[in-house]
Amino acid sequence: NAGVMQNPRHLVRRRGQEARLRCSPMKGHSHVYWYRQLPEEGLKFMVYLQKENIIDESGMPKERFSAEFPKEGPSILRIQQVVRGDSAAYFCASSQGPRGTEAFFGQGTRLTVV
Amino acid sequence: AQKVTQAQTEISVVEKEVVTLDCVYETRDTTYYLFWYKQPPSGELVFLIRRNSFDEQNEISGRYSWNFQKSTSSFNFTITASQVVDSAVYFCALKTSSNQFYFGTGTSLTVIP
Repeated sequence: NAGVMQNPRHLVRRRGQEARLRCSPMKGHSHVYWYRQLPEEGLKFMVYLQKENIIDESGMPKERFSAEFPKEGPSILRIQQVVRGDSAAYFCASSQGPRGTEAFFGQGTRLTVV
Repeated sequence: AQKVTQAQTEISVVEKEVVTLDCVYETRDTTYYLFWYKQPPSGELVFLIRRNSFDEQNEISGRYSWNFQKSTSSFNFTITASQVVDSAVYFCALKTSSNQFYFGTGTSLTVIP
């Protein structure tokens, strides 16, 4: 049973380009969470999705960021027109259910905007 | 408000010493869950333990132990006989009815051989 798979592991984008980060949850997991980790900071919640639904996007910046978790395929975190401040590690986690079930994290995607 | 505080930013210990990582949380929820994750230098987040708010039993797993005290809103993590491989950043996290994780800022542990 493979763990949470994120790709790419490292992504370099020039300012103004688009970044697409992919997350395949663990088998049987229908809940996906995205977190951002900035240098010397903890992980900050961005968005929580279930299949085809955004449940909570209170941590997502209002502009340029979007997320989806389609019926088929991985969850995608999309950042349009990236800026240097978007450089961070983005982690995806998945869980079997809500509430107390533990979430397992992927290895993260390190985005560098140059 | 939901909040997790890890006051220790960095800790260094010599191998085989005991080290305790502190975690204090705030929540108004009566049902919540507490977690510890380890982030080694390779960057991934490794799940270590989950506790629910109704279970204050301390837990021991090998060299690791966790002390959950609701009276002080603390969920501390102790490593005995520390090893170099324990060097990592450790995150404490709170999960509440909103289903979000709230992470502390992490404690960077360095174990010196």
